[in-house]
Amino acid sequence: SQQGEEDPQALSIQEGENATMNCSYKTSINNLQWYRQNSGRGLVHLILIRSNEREKHSGRLRVTLDTSKKSSSLLITASRAADTASYFCATDAEDSNYQLIWGAGTKLIIKP
Amino acid sequence: EAEVAQSPRYKITEKSQAVAFWCDPISGHATLYWYRQILGQGPELLVQFQDESVVDDSQLPKDRFSAERLKGVDSTLKIQPAELGDSAMYLCASSSSGGRKEQYFGPGTRLTVT
Repeated sequence: SQQGEEDPQALSIQEGENATMNCSYKTSINNLQWYRQNSGRGLVHLILIRSNEREKHSGRLRVTLDTSKKSSSLLITASRAADTASYFCATDAEDSNYQLIWGAGTKLIIKP
Repeated sequence: EAEVAQSPRYKITEKSQAVAFWCDPISGHATLYWYRQILGQGPELLVQFQDESVVDDSQLPKDRFSAERLKGVDSTLKIQPAELGDSAMYLCASSSSGGRKEQYFGPGTRLTVT
């Protein structure tokens, strides 16, 4: 079963613009992770935010977490063509056994 | 940089045939996961190993799927017999133990059943 739901399902923006993707989840979590998947490839870990953190940065990535609303957002600033990919959030629920529950992903297209 | 290895990258097989996928996790990673991913969806966990022991295989269709990690290192996922609905990407991931951490994925095996 999928816990996370990403919004929007697809996003197309011009190169240089910022891209924001949202993730909602259902149960209490230990952490929330964001991954990127290029077409036909494996997933690459981007960033992990723990339940007691509210914001985290990594390069052009900014992740926020609101545990009261059970939601997270991923912001990619100054987008590049190479950012074209699908982005997934995955939650490590408090009652899980080191398992992640995945959303369906947001497909991001950066137009040159 | 250490990577998770998977083979083959692509596999086309006829229904009712047997197929096997192999995964070699990052050295020292005790936890290994097999996922199935249908196009346009997120990964779905099939089986999780901790060293050589199965932690969770509740989503593994055990009438046709089997998985093993005999020496607690590399792992094999088998499907016998394959069905048309098994066409998907099969992903292997590993993580280190000792805390809730990120998972490292291999490139996946794209299976097409005809």
